[in-house]
Amino acid sequence: QQPVQSPQAVILREGEDAVINCSSSKALYSVHWYRQKHGEAPVFLMILLKGGEQKGHEKISASFNEKKQQSSLYLTASQLSYSGTYFCGLKEGAQKLVFGQGTRLTINP
Amino acid sequence: NAGVMQNPRHLVRRRGQEARLRCSPMKGHSHVYWYRQLPEEGLKFMVYLQKENIIDESGMPKERFSAEFPKEGPSILRIQQVVRGDSAAYFCASSFQTGEAFFGQGTRLTVV
Repeated sequence: QQPVQSPQAVILREGEDAVINCSSSKALYSVHWYRQKHGEAPVFLMILLKGGEQKGHEKISASFNEKKQQSSLYLTASQLSYSGTYFCGLKEGAQKLVFGQGTRLTINP
Repeated sequence: NAGVMQNPRHLVRRRGQEARLRCSPMKGHSHVYWYRQLPEEGLKFMVYLQKENIIDESGMPKERFSAEFPKEGPSILRIQQVVRGDSAAYFCASSFQTGEAFFGQGTRLTVV
């Protein structure tokens, strides 16, 4: 099953905050977040395992809500370098890793 | 410690030819994923492999496409009799059985 991301696109000014959501129709086991810049490979940001965990990576953090079957990625005080397309991926145990359609984030000066 | 290596980075094939895309996983990783990406679109799952075993190939077209991950050597994605619609970026990623997956730089396939 493909996760559903929202919003599809976000435009921010440098320093503003953003939240990207990733929802699943099935129980979550692990959620993987990636960022991809135009013409480049996706870059791993963080992985969250079931248990309502929250993780941080500089000013980027994520939460995992097992009950709501949803994960959210938080970008605070956004920087120009945060621009790109963000993908969430879902993986059930030893099964395949399937990605959402992506959220395009544009940060303007 | 080298990352995931894909080659070639760019591949041009005429319609009807075969394309072979190679992916060497990170050291110690035993699982490989292949994804296809069209411009401005998402990462479409194709196949998930373990050494000498296909775990899930539900995203692979039934014809012309095949993948393998032998005991020795890289994983290979093979596209026979390519058509213009096969033009895309093909990414592989490697991981342990669970845990984070790391992507290679991709192979941009152009069919002329």
